[in-house]
Amino acid sequence: NAGVTQTPKFQVLKTGQSMTLQCAQDMNHEYMSWYRQDPGMGLRLIHYSVGAGITDQGEVPNGYNVSRSTTEDFPLRLLSAAPSQTSVYFCASSYVGIQSNYGYTFGSGTRLTVV
Amino acid sequence: RKEVEQDPGPFNVPEGATVAFNCTYSNSASQSFFWYRQDCRKEPKLLMSVYSSGNEDGRFTAQLNRASQYISLLIRDSKLSDSATYLCVVNRGEKLTFGTGTRLTIIP
Repeated sequence: NAGVTQTPKFQVLKTGQSMTLQCAQDMNHEYMSWYRQDPGMGLRLIHYSVGAGITDQGEVPNGYNVSRSTTEDFPLRLLSAAPSQTSVYFCASSYVGIQSNYGYTFGSGTRLTVV
Repeated sequence: RKEVEQDPGPFNVPEGATVAFNCTYSNSASQSFFWYRQDCRKEPKLLMSVYSSGNEDGRFTAQLNRASQYISLLIRDSKLSDSATYLCVVNRGEKLTFGTGTRLTIIP
């Protein structure tokens, strides 16, 4: 009964370093997405995927890469970390066809600080 | 103009009072509507979906006015445990767009 699992929970990076935020879900959801949340900005969509092998950009994709090789996993890669990427990152998943009103299930978040 | 706009608050309300939040959205093609709740330093969680006919879940009532592109949430008999940030969320296609949230604090 894990739901959406994100790792790590906290991370400090130096400017220019790269890293991967992990996201896994065990609900067989087709749709997975990454959001970042900043004070006063709300949640903003970075990238999303509607199934294995399919990804697309959201509102703020620059500086991030994703891939979806399996239904369960949707890692987010920071290519060269910048202080502007300091944020809380949430992974979310759902069934395709959000009109069914199931809503999204969110992971517990990764708090990233870039110094 | 933001796609989803909410009054950020904060709303400080005595326990037992009724409180209402409003939200407007700009894209008339939006298809589904939700209220999420987010506790401090936690992930958002679905509170309720919002239907055109209005819907109720215990002390919570949600309303949608498509003509005015307006969504509301009413909380009756507020409890201390209702203290949180309430996010208005709109769906168009496969993506959800979130408002910045309204912060509610229930005062004993």
